[in-house]
Amino acid sequence: DGGITQSPKYLFRKEGQNVTLSCEQNLNHDAMYWYRQDPGQGLRLIYYSQIVNDFQKGDIAEGYSVSREKKESFPLTVTSAQKNPTAFYLCASSQRGGYDEQFFGPGTRLTVL
Amino acid sequence: AQSVAQPEDQVNVAEGNPLTVKCTYSVSGNPYLFWYVQYPNRGLQFLLKYITGDNLVKGSYGFEAEFNKSQTSFHLKKPSALVSDSALYFCAVRDREAGANNLFFGTGTRLTVIP
Repeated sequence: DGGITQSPKYLFRKEGQNVTLSCEQNLNHDAMYWYRQDPGQGLRLIYYSQIVNDFQKGDIAEGYSVSREKKESFPLTVTSAQKNPTAFYLCASSQRGGYDEQFFGPGTRLTVL
Repeated sequence: AQSVAQPEDQVNVAEGNPLTVKCTYSVSGNPYLFWYVQYPNRGLQFLLKYITGDNLVKGSYGFEAEFNKSQTSFHLKKPSALVSDSALYFCAVRDREAGANNLFFGTGTRLTVIP
């Protein structure tokens, strides 16, 4: 059963804590992405990676960090430097880029208490 | 710069009637265009894309979209709406010549199909 998994589905964090969101894909895709979704703002790109051990900042990378040590995994860490981290986080992957469509995971809803 | 505009936050249509969800885009080069659908608390599902060639693109669940270069539009259409089509729809664009792989998304249009 191929696809993208994200865990956990819901996550609660106290202010000042770092938290890591998991994203795994078994589609053998080269490229992976992290988006943040807020009501009325659509999706905004946080980071993306086109190949293992390489990644680039998106439009809103401040306060976030990523790693890409394995092709199938692209974890996102939300650090205490992120001023407004409460949001719905979506991970996606694609074969490469260009005209390849992105496949999305089910998302993680992060709430900062 | 790349951008997408979805001018309607909300579209209501009666079941069985045709539906249109509007999208206009701005890129410096030529676009790749995509439509996605999102159900509550779920990820996005791919519906269709325009790469090149025929301006009318057919996708999943009976949806289609028409690429209009002169109007820089890529409106999503369906001849007969179903209640199950009620969801949030996103248009996205990528500039072919930009080099980066990331998509630029619109703010979404919430479609409600009324029984």
